[in-house]
Amino acid sequence: EAGVVQSPRYKIIEKKQPVAFWCNPISGHNTLYWYRQNLGQGPELLIRYENEEAVDDSQLPKDRFSAERLKGVDSTLKIQPAELGDSAVYLCASRAGGSYNEQFFGPGTRLTVL
Amino acid sequence: DQQVKQNSPSLSVQEGRISILNCDYTNSMFDYFLWYKKYPAEGPTFLISISSIKDKNEDGRFTVFLNKSAKHLSLHIVPSQPGDSAVYFCAASEDSGGSNYKLTFGKGTLLTVNP
Repeated sequence: EAGVVQSPRYKIIEKKQPVAFWCNPISGHNTLYWYRQNLGQGPELLIRYENEEAVDDSQLPKDRFSAERLKGVDSTLKIQPAELGDSAVYLCASRAGGSYNEQFFGPGTRLTVL
Repeated sequence: DQQVKQNSPSLSVQEGRISILNCDYTNSMFDYFLWYKKYPAEGPTFLISISSIKDKNEDGRFTVFLNKSAKHLSLHIVPSQPGDSAVYFCAASEDSGGSNYKLTFGKGTLLTVNP
Protein backbone atom coordinates (compact mmCIF):
# COMPACT_ATOMS: atom_id res chain seq x y z
CA GLU A 1 0.00 0.00 0.00
CA ALA A 2 1.43 3.36 -1.02
CA GLY A 3 1.84 5.92 1.73
CA VAL A 4 1.00 9.59 1.79
CA VAL A 5 2.80 11.37 -1.04
CA GLN A 6 3.89 14.98 -0.84
CA SER A 7 5.67 17.25 -3.28
CA PRO A 8 7.92 19.05 -3.50
CA ARG A 9 10.16 17.73 -0.72
CA TYR A 10 12.07 20.97 -0.47
CA LYS A 11 11.29 24.51 -1.54
CA ILE A 12 13.33 27.71 -1.23
CA ILE A 13 11.67 31.01 -2.12
CA GLU A 14 12.10 34.72 -1.56
CA LYS A 15 9.71 36.42 0.83
CA LYS A 16 6.54 37.79 -0.74
CA GLN A 17 6.57 35.01 -3.35
CA PRO A 18 3.75 32.48 -3.58
CA VAL A 19 4.26 28.77 -2.92
CA ALA A 20 2.10 25.67 -3.15
CA PHE A 21 2.35 22.21 -1.65
CA TRP A 22 0.63 19.09 -2.93
CA CYS A 23 -0.56 16.01 -1.07
CA ASN A 24 -1.94 12.68 -2.24
CA PRO A 25 -3.37 10.72 0.71
CA ILE A 26 -3.60 6.98 1.13
CA SER A 27 -6.30 5.54 -1.09
CA GLY A 28 -9.62 5.35 0.67
CA HIS A 29 -8.70 7.74 3.48
CA ASN A 30 -11.47 10.29 3.74
CA THR A 31 -9.81 12.50 6.34
CA LEU A 32 -6.88 14.66 5.35
CA TYR A 33 -4.82 16.97 7.57
CA TRP A 34 -2.26 19.69 6.94
CA TYR A 35 0.19 20.40 9.76
CA ARG A 36 3.03 22.87 10.16
CA GLN A 37 6.08 21.84 12.15
CA ASN A 38 8.43 24.58 13.25
CA LEU A 39 11.99 23.77 14.28
CA GLY A 40 12.09 22.10 17.67
CA GLN A 41 8.31 21.86 17.91
CA GLY A 42 5.68 19.22 17.34
CA PRO A 43 3.30 19.34 14.36
CA GLU A 44 0.49 21.88 14.68
CA LEU A 45 -2.78 21.40 12.84
CA LEU A 46 -3.60 23.93 10.13
CA ILE A 47 -6.66 22.41 8.53
CA ARG A 48 -8.66 19.16 8.49
CA TYR A 49 -10.78 17.84 5.65
CA GLU A 50 -13.53 15.26 5.73
CA ASN A 51 -13.78 14.30 2.06
CA GLU A 52 -13.85 17.64 0.23
CA GLU A 53 -15.18 19.66 3.18
CA ALA A 54 -12.87 21.69 5.42
CA VAL A 55 -14.32 20.88 8.86
CA ASP A 56 -11.64 22.55 10.98
CA ASP A 57 -9.63 25.48 9.64
CA SER A 58 -9.52 27.51 12.85
CA GLN A 59 -5.69 27.47 12.93
CA LEU A 60 -5.20 28.39 9.28
CA PRO A 61 -3.95 31.99 8.81
CA LYS A 62 -6.55 32.87 6.28
CA ASP A 63 -5.03 36.17 5.21
CA ARG A 64 -2.25 34.39 3.37
CA PHE A 65 -2.95 30.65 3.52
CA SER A 66 -5.50 28.75 1.48
CA ALA A 67 -6.21 25.10 0.89
CA GLU A 68 -8.41 22.98 -1.29
CA ARG A 69 -9.25 19.33 -1.68
CA LEU A 70 -10.97 18.85 -4.97
CA LYS A 71 -13.00 15.66 -5.40
CA GLY A 72 -12.06 14.64 -1.86
CA VAL A 73 -8.73 13.11 -2.83
CA ASP A 74 -5.62 15.24 -3.51
CA SER A 75 -5.09 18.46 -1.64
CA THR A 76 -3.12 21.65 -2.19
CA LEU A 77 -1.94 24.12 0.44
CA LYS A 78 -0.96 27.58 -0.76
CA ILE A 79 0.80 30.52 0.83
CA GLN A 80 0.61 33.92 -0.82
CA PRO A 81 2.62 35.94 -0.07
CA ALA A 82 5.16 33.98 1.97
CA GLU A 83 6.83 35.57 4.99
CA LEU A 84 10.09 34.73 6.73
CA GLY A 85 8.18 33.18 9.62
CA ASP A 86 6.56 30.65 7.29
CA SER A 87 9.80 28.67 7.09
CA ALA A 88 8.85 25.25 8.46
CA VAL A 89 8.07 21.69 7.45
CA TYR A 90 4.55 21.27 6.12
CA LEU A 91 3.17 17.81 6.77
CA CYS A 92 0.17 16.14 5.22
CA ALA A 93 -1.55 13.22 6.95
CA SER A 94 -4.54 11.03 6.19
CA ARG A 95 -6.72 8.71 8.18
CA ALA A 96 -9.34 6.10 7.55
CA GLY A 97 -12.74 6.48 9.19
CA GLY A 98 -13.64 4.70 12.40
CA SER A 99 -12.46 4.74 15.96
CA TYR A 100 -8.89 4.43 17.11
CA ASN A 101 -7.37 4.73 13.68
CA GLU A 102 -4.09 6.55 13.59
CA GLN A 103 -3.03 9.25 11.18
CA PHE A 104 -0.46 8.37 8.53
CA PHE A 105 1.98 11.13 7.68
CA GLY A 106 3.77 12.00 4.49
CA PRO A 107 7.47 12.95 4.45
CA GLY A 108 6.67 16.67 4.48
CA THR A 109 7.79 19.68 2.47
CA ARG A 110 10.58 21.73 3.99
CA LEU A 111 9.98 25.39 3.12
CA THR A 112 12.71 27.99 3.46
CA VAL A 113 11.74 31.62 2.96
CA LEU A 114 14.68 33.98 2.38
CA ASP B 1 -0.43 27.22 26.50
CA GLN B 2 0.93 23.78 25.72
CA GLN B 3 -1.64 21.10 26.40
CA VAL B 4 0.83 18.26 25.79
CA LYS B 5 4.25 18.60 27.36
CA GLN B 6 7.41 16.60 26.87
CA ASN B 7 9.80 18.19 29.30
CA SER B 8 12.89 16.26 28.29
CA PRO B 9 14.24 17.50 24.95
CA SER B 10 16.68 14.60 24.78
CA LEU B 11 17.51 11.24 26.33
CA SER B 12 20.57 9.05 25.89
CA VAL B 13 20.65 5.35 26.84
CA GLN B 14 22.88 2.37 26.27
CA GLU B 15 21.89 -0.40 23.90
CA GLY B 16 20.01 -3.15 25.72
CA ARG B 17 18.85 -0.91 28.54
CA ILE B 18 15.39 0.52 29.09
CA SER B 19 14.35 3.86 27.57
CA ILE B 20 11.59 5.76 29.36
CA LEU B 21 10.03 8.76 27.64
CA ASN B 22 7.58 10.89 29.57
CA CYS B 23 4.63 13.05 28.61
CA ASP B 24 2.25 15.21 30.64
CA TYR B 25 -1.02 16.74 29.55
CA THR B 26 -3.31 19.39 30.93
CA ASN B 27 -6.57 18.87 29.02
CA SER B 28 -8.77 16.47 31.00
CA MET B 29 -10.92 15.95 27.90
CA PHE B 30 -8.16 14.01 26.13
CA ASP B 31 -9.27 10.40 25.84
CA TYR B 32 -6.81 8.86 23.40
CA PHE B 33 -3.04 9.05 23.39
CA LEU B 34 -0.48 8.09 20.80
CA TRP B 35 3.28 7.96 20.38
CA TYR B 36 4.87 8.72 17.05
CA LYS B 37 8.47 8.19 16.05
CA LYS B 38 10.23 10.47 13.58
CA TYR B 39 13.48 9.96 11.72
CA PRO B 40 15.22 12.91 10.01
CA ALA B 41 13.68 13.95 6.69
CA GLU B 42 10.72 11.61 7.21
CA GLY B 43 7.20 12.14 8.48
CA PRO B 44 6.15 10.90 11.92
CA THR B 45 5.31 7.19 12.07
CA PHE B 46 2.70 5.76 14.42
CA LEU B 47 4.21 3.61 17.14
CA ILE B 48 1.65 2.75 19.80
CA SER B 49 -1.52 4.15 21.34
CA ILE B 50 -3.67 3.85 24.43
CA SER B 51 -7.27 4.65 25.20
CA SER B 52 -8.18 6.41 28.42
CA ILE B 53 -10.11 3.33 29.54
CA LYS B 54 -6.82 1.45 29.87
CA ASP B 55 -3.71 2.04 31.91
CA LYS B 56 -1.29 -0.06 29.90
CA ASN B 57 -0.81 -1.17 26.32
CA GLU B 58 2.03 -3.35 25.11
CA ASP B 59 3.35 -4.08 21.64
CA GLY B 60 6.57 -6.05 21.48
CA ARG B 61 9.37 -3.99 22.96
CA PHE B 62 7.12 -0.95 23.41
CA THR B 63 4.78 -0.36 26.33
CA VAL B 64 2.76 2.75 27.05
CA PHE B 65 1.50 3.48 30.57
CA LEU B 66 -1.27 5.96 31.33
CA ASN B 67 -1.90 7.54 34.73
CA LYS B 68 -5.07 9.58 34.29
CA SER B 69 -5.13 10.99 37.79
CA ALA B 70 -1.66 12.43 37.27
CA LYS B 71 -2.34 13.31 33.62
CA HIS B 72 0.85 11.51 32.73
CA LEU B 73 1.87 8.87 30.26
CA SER B 74 5.15 7.19 29.52
CA LEU B 75 6.65 5.07 26.78
CA HIS B 76 8.98 2.24 27.75
CA ILE B 77 11.29 0.64 25.22
CA VAL B 78 12.92 -2.60 26.36
CA PRO B 79 15.50 -3.47 25.26
CA SER B 80 16.60 -0.32 23.49
CA GLN B 81 18.31 -0.72 20.11
CA PRO B 82 20.42 1.75 18.08
CA GLY B 83 17.65 1.79 15.43
CA ASP B 84 15.32 3.28 18.03
CA SER B 85 17.30 6.52 17.88
CA ALA B 86 14.77 9.09 16.70
CA VAL B 87 12.52 11.91 17.91
CA TYR B 88 9.49 10.61 19.79
CA PHE B 89 6.30 12.68 19.86
CA CYS B 90 3.52 12.26 22.35
CA ALA B 91 0.08 13.17 20.96
CA ALA B 92 -3.43 13.32 22.37
CA SER B 93 -6.98 13.59 21.09
CA GLU B 94 -10.27 14.64 22.69
CA ASP B 95 -12.32 12.39 20.46
CA SER B 96 -10.79 9.02 19.69
CA GLY B 97 -12.88 8.21 16.69
CA GLY B 98 -15.62 10.72 16.29
CA SER B 99 -16.07 13.66 14.04
CA ASN B 100 -13.77 15.87 16.07
CA TYR B 101 -10.73 13.61 15.96
CA LYS B 102 -7.55 15.68 15.81
CA LEU B 103 -4.17 15.41 17.49
CA THR B 104 -2.31 17.78 19.75
CA PHE B 105 1.41 17.05 19.81
CA GLY B 106 4.17 17.64 22.31
CA LYS B 107 7.51 19.12 21.27
CA GLY B 108 9.20 15.75 21.08
CA THR B 109 12.10 13.98 22.81
CA LEU B 110 15.24 13.02 20.92
CA LEU B 111 16.25 9.51 21.94
CA THR B 112 19.80 8.38 21.27
CA VAL B 113 20.66 4.74 21.85
CA ASN B 114 24.39 4.20 22.04
CA PRO B 115 25.90 0.89 20.89
